[in-house]
Amino acid sequence: GAVVSQHPSRVICKSGTSVKIECRSLDFQATTMFWYRQFPKQSLMLMATSNEGSKATYEQGVEKDKFLINHASLTLSTLTVASAHPEDSSFYICSALLAGQETQYFGPGTRLLVL
Amino acid sequence: GENVEQHPSTLSVQEGDSAVIKCTYSDSASNYFPWYKQELGKGPQLIIDIRSNVGEKKDQRIAVTLNKTAKHFSLHITETQPEDSAVYFCAASSSSGYALNFGKGTSLLVTP
Repeated sequence: GAVVSQHPSRVICKSGTSVKIECRSLDFQATTMFWYRQFPKQSLMLMATSNEGSKATYEQGVEKDKFLINHASLTLSTLTVASAHPEDSSFYICSALLAGQETQYFGPGTRLLVL
Repeated sequence: GENVEQHPSTLSVQEGDSAVIKCTYSDSASNYFPWYKQELGKGPQLIIDIRSNVGEKKDQRIAVTLNKTAKHFSLHITETQPEDSAVYFCAASSSSGYALNFGKGTSLLVTP
């Protein structure tokens, strides 16, 4: 149980395009999901906390107009990288929180490459 | 967020030996401490966690110890196998909601 999926697993796009990444909790409901960014050989950097039915809470330094988060249901959160640029290339990982618990279950990640 | 320090950054052991990774945290309100294993190109996988009301927890070859007074916790892997090779992250719960503060990771290499 507690499986989290992400789609797509890998995306290559041209500079200036927008990219949407989906995060789904497959076998449980997640009122809270988190979005992380990870550069090569570095730790996970929390970008934002996504709560179902409300606006996401962004960490300091993360542009909310560039990284648009929508948590429309208890099993789906999306991250849209608006007008992506090469510096946005990274590994984006989501996690989902089991309701009433502290345990975060992570998705497999999405590799974004902006040319 | 609050700091979580993790050591060592790299660790190489021979198959069958034990591996120990140590973390310290600064937020006295932290009460949940998970450990994650991340293989190359994949998302982190929870391997064990411990809460502040427990000093030690064991699951087969993996154990975690917690010293709340000293604010440090450790991961112990016994009888290591090549498939244990990965990057391991410790984390501590944040005082603000359910967010986690992660250590910088330990790259563990188990050589046959």
